[in-house]
Amino acid sequence: NAGVTQTPKFRVLKTGQSMTLLCAQDMNHEYMYWYRQDPGMGLRLIHYSVGEGTTAKGEVPDGYNVSRLKKQNFLLGLESAAPSQTSVYFCASSYGRVHEQFFGPGTRLTVL
Amino acid sequence: GENVEQHPSTLSVQEGDSAVIKCTYSDSASNYFPWYKQELGKGPQLIIDIRSNVGEKKDQRIAVTLNKTAKHFSLHITETQPEDSAVYFCAANIQGGKLIFGQGTELSVKP
Repeated sequence: NAGVTQTPKFRVLKTGQSMTLLCAQDMNHEYMYWYRQDPGMGLRLIHYSVGEGTTAKGEVPDGYNVSRLKKQNFLLGLESAAPSQTSVYFCASSYGRVHEQFFGPGTRLTVL
Repeated sequence: GENVEQHPSTLSVQEGDSAVIKCTYSDSASNYFPWYKQELGKGPQLIIDIRSNVGEKKDQRIAVTLNKTAKHFSLHITETQPEDSAVYFCAANIQGGKLIFGQGTELSVKP
């Protein structure tokens, strides 16, 4: 099993450009999450999904959109990138509400 | 909003010594407290977790204690080794199956 995979690993954008980050899991997990990690601030939840076709806002959702069209995939979109969105983005998945979250390797995004 | 406070932010110990990281949480309904280890350039990985129906849990050199009354929980690593060097995060669950993470502790174990 590959676990949780993320594409791409690195990306550099100019302000105003758009992009989509892809997360895939092969563990048949219902729950999926997108976090951002910034120095000294831990992991902050952007959006999450409790099942195929559902999405919900986390702590820091502004400037991001998500979609969960297939159970195994969770997409994070930036419609108009800003320098404040420079961060490392992690996707995670879990079997249920109070279960271990498995994390992907991360995507390092720089917005110039 | 709900939050988790983690201390210290950095911790340096000699190989063989013990390391303790402490967290406090605000949501009295939290009942699941995982600890994650993050090595450089990788995603966080669960090392131990505890649920509110127990006060302590051990796994070899790692232990976690929970004080629900005080809303405190702590990670204890004994006989530290250089490979324990990493960033450690505590977390607590809140409504909706979400986790709130602490700010992280960078542990350095010196040979």
